[in-house]
Amino acid sequence: AQSVTQPDIHITVSEGASLELRCNYSYGATPYLFWYVQSPGQGLQLLLKYFSGDTLVQGIKGFEAEFKRSQSSFNLRKPSVHWSDAAEYFCAVGTTSGTYKYIFGTGTRLKVLA
Amino acid sequence: GAGVSQTPSNKVTEKGKYVELRCDPISGHTALYWYRQSLGQGPEFLIYFQGTGAADDSGLPNDRFFAVRPEGSVSTLKIQRTERGDSAVYLCASSPMGTAQETQYFGPGTRLLVL
Repeated sequence: AQSVTQPDIHITVSEGASLELRCNYSYGATPYLFWYVQSPGQGLQLLLKYFSGDTLVQGIKGFEAEFKRSQSSFNLRKPSVHWSDAAEYFCAVGTTSGTYKYIFGTGTRLKVLA
Repeated sequence: GAGVSQTPSNKVTEKGKYVELRCDPISGHTALYWYRQSLGQGPEFLIYFQGTGAADDSGLPNDRFFAVRPEGSVSTLKIQRTERGDSAVYLCASSPMGTAQETQYFGPGTRLLVL
């Protein structure tokens, strides 16, 4: 079955520290992968996406993610976290046949310490 | 340009009542999706429209849930005989044509609370 796992429910980092949010997926074919961020009262905003090609993807707000097929992972990274990055982060698989819908993970809530 | 809008932003109702949630997609987007996000969970797919037709309603939990998109733009999600378990944030998203590589653009959601 298609699924997305985000093992970390909560993560706390200090401002200026590096960040890595984990995402593992289960999908029968080559997946389309997305990272979205959700701030309180805001809609989901796309950070970056991967379809094919270079496995290191650059996104907005200084985020990047690396697709590792052998590990079925698509981890999100940022070298230096800002206080404004505090939010909830969702990894998603986009299905590539039938209805092109997203399967989301349960999210990781990021807290940033000043 | 304007993004996806949803109204109301919050809705409180009593168990057994009927509610309607509205989604106004980005102009020109033919694909429209509804998702439901329960507390502590990621969004879960409910239904997908391509134009006016519901191309995939496999995510609707039961027949109390129904959605329409009569003119291919605004969509309404309708819930009959609401139950406390229906309490969640209902998200709407749209994309230009509904192809696999398109980004889905999400609205801010409607937070539904059933008392």
